Amino acid sequence: KNQVEQSPQSLIILEGKNCTLQCNYTVSPFSNLRWYKQDTGRGPVSLTIMTFSENTKSNGRYTATLDADTKQSSLHITASQLSDSASYICVVSAGYKLSFGAGTTVTVRA
Amino acid sequence: GAGVSQSPSNKVTEKGKDVELRCDPISGHTALYWYRQSLGQGLEFLIYFQGNSAPDKSGLPSDRFSAERTGGSVSTLTIQRTQQEDSAVYLCASSLRAPGETQYFGPGTRLLVL
Repeated sequence: KNQVEQSPQSLIILEGKNCTLQCNYTVSPFSNLRWYKQDTGRGPVSLTIMTFSENTKSNGRYTATLDADTKQSSLHITASQLSDSASYICVVSAGYKLSFGAGTTVTVRA
Repeated sequence: GAGVSQSPSNKVTEKGKDVELRCDPISGHTALYWYRQSLGQGLEFLIYFQGNSAPDKSGLPSDRFSAERTGGSVSTLTIQRTQQEDSAVYLCASSLRAPGETQYFGPGTRLLVL
C-alpha cells in the first residue's frame, strides 16, 4: 500500500513558467523527505532532503517545503527550463525503508 | 567508478527463463539496495544489504527472487522462472554507510519477459 501520494500525475508547462508539485504522506515514523528527479532512462537523482525540523530547502531553481504537522510537502520549480522535463519523485524515509511516490511527470515545452 | 553501474541495461527473456542482474555500487559504499519500478508505479523496495549480509529481504516478491553481494561490493539479483509480471525496471542504489543517507541510483536494468 503506497503511503506517499503525489499530485498531479503529470503536467505540461511552458518554458520560463513556474510550477508546484504536491506530496502527501502517511509514513511513520518519519526520518526525512527527499525529492528526486528522474530523467527518462536514468536512475533518480536527489534534489533536496528535509528533516522534521526543516520547513524549506532550496537547490537552485528547485524549492521544497515541508509541513510535518499536516504531512505535506511541495516542490516548486521556478523559471522552468526544457531540461526540467522529468519525473519528480517524493521519497519519505523511515529509517532505511524508503516509501516512494509514483511521481509527477513534468513536461516543459518551448 | 564514479557512480552506480548496472548491467545489462536491457534484457529481454522468455517466460520461464532465469535472469541475473548485476549492480556495481559506488566504491566504498557499504549499503546497497535493490528496487523495482513498474510502469506508472512508484519504486518498490526489494532488498537491502549492509556489507555482504541482507538485514532486510522483506521486499522480495516471491521465492523466485534472490540476491547476493560479495566482497562488500558487487551484487547480483537473480529471478528464476521469470513471469510476465516480472517485467519492470530494476534499480540498484548505494549509500556510504547508514541507510538514512542519500542513496545514489544506477541507471537501472529494463527487463521484459515475453
